[in-house]
Amino acid sequence: TQLLEQSPQFLSIQEGENLTVYCNSSSVFSSLQWYRQEPGEGPVLLVTVVTGGEVKKLKRLTFQFGDARKDSSLHITAAQPGDTGLYLCAGDGRTSYGKLTFGQGTILTVHP
Amino acid sequence: DAGITQSPRHKVTETGTPVTLRCHQTENHRYMYWYRQDPGHGLRLIHYSYGVKDTDKGEVSDGYSVSRSKTEDFLLTLESATSSQTSVYFCAITSSASYEQYFGPGTRLTVT
Repeated sequence: TQLLEQSPQFLSIQEGENLTVYCNSSSVFSSLQWYRQEPGEGPVLLVTVVTGGEVKKLKRLTFQFGDARKDSSLHITAAQPGDTGLYLCAGDGRTSYGKLTFGQGTILTVHP
Repeated sequence: DAGITQSPRHKVTETGTPVTLRCHQTENHRYMYWYRQDPGHGLRLIHYSYGVKDTDKGEVSDGYSVSRSKTEDFLLTLESATSSQTSVYFCAITSSASYEQYFGPGTRLTVT
């Protein structure tokens, strides 16, 4: 069974601060996806990282996939209240059929 | 938007009653999934389907069954609902084009 440990579980910061969310595993994943979820809605895909060492940027969000493809991080620069939400990482072990293993999630609150 | 709808969006039912949740997609995707989301657990896979009448168990399948008689519909049934099945249920598809996973809006189920 593949496990993804996501940390921290809760993050409460002021507008303008930077933050990093981590996603770690002892298993290798062929790709890793990051989602953002707002209350009452389904998770929305932010990015997929595929290659070890890959870095992707989405405006103020920077995603990195570890060299060994066992871990990933999400860094937000100058957080804004609109970034508030639940962030989820999910790994695809390529066992076929696209089954994903999810981390427990990080609840981010950005105060104005 | 991957054209995924779920019904009902909210349901309250009593312990011991059968419940069926429906997931409908409009874009002919082959792979479909049912997840449940509970605080502190992220999303956990219940069942998945890799084609019409082709289904298999996920991580937390006990107490659930599924059926897929048409490409566009994937049904999740709780044969005899229990309070431990109170949760938010999400349907997802894997895009045939990108192999990325997209989620429906969710169904909030309360078993009293």
